[in-house]
Amino acid sequence: GQQVQQSPASLVLQEGENAELQCNFSTSLNSMQWFYQRPGGSLVSLFYNPSGTKHSGRLTSTTVIKERRSSLHISSSQTTDSGTYLCALSNNAGAKLTFGGGTRLTVRP
Amino acid sequence: NAGVIQTPRHKVTGKGQEATLWCEPISGHSAVFWYRQTIVQGLEFLTYFRNQAPIDDSGMPKERFSAQMPNQSHSTLKIQSTQPQDSAVYLCASSPDSAETLYFGSGTRLTVL
Repeated sequence: GQQVQQSPASLVLQEGENAELQCNFSTSLNSMQWFYQRPGGSLVSLFYNPSGTKHSGRLTSTTVIKERRSSLHISSSQTTDSGTYLCALSNNAGAKLTFGGGTRLTVRP
Repeated sequence: NAGVIQTPRHKVTGKGQEATLWCEPISGHSAVFWYRQTIVQGLEFLTYFRNQAPIDDSGMPKERFSAQMPNQSHSTLKIQSTQPQDSAVYLCASSPDSAETLYFGSGTRLTVL
């Protein structure tokens, strides 16, 4: 079965609203990363967060290993936040990342 | 720092032809990864190198795909006898030491007619 599942698959917000993106995984975890991708663009690393909570501007990532989940919170969304958010995990140090299917976010003005 | 550089950005081949994709990792990064992205399958791991040595190629289709890293400044992904189902965006990424933080290139969009 799929090791990494993201929800929702897509999300539409009005500018200024908050978003909570979820990533659930079924395997043991060594590292968890969140990436952002614009349509046709490359992936940009947002967080490397194997456990606990990290903040970066309007973004917050929380990983709870024993619950096998990680979340990405976007506060006060802006139209420029539109794109696809992907979580990825590895279960061995230095090993390959397995990606979730992504959440496609659209923020309307 | 120009980031991870991939060339070409776009490549169109006819069915049965060979395609070679190039990646220049960030200077000083010891790990290089290749991924493939399609709408249907999403992001799929292909292979990775550490200090130029192949470590894990479990994602590589065995018969027509090969990857090399002849020196620390570039890696190539070669697809022989390309098929339409090989059409995808091929992404290269590098990291300083492990998979802690990956830096991706802009990708090569391969279209096999």
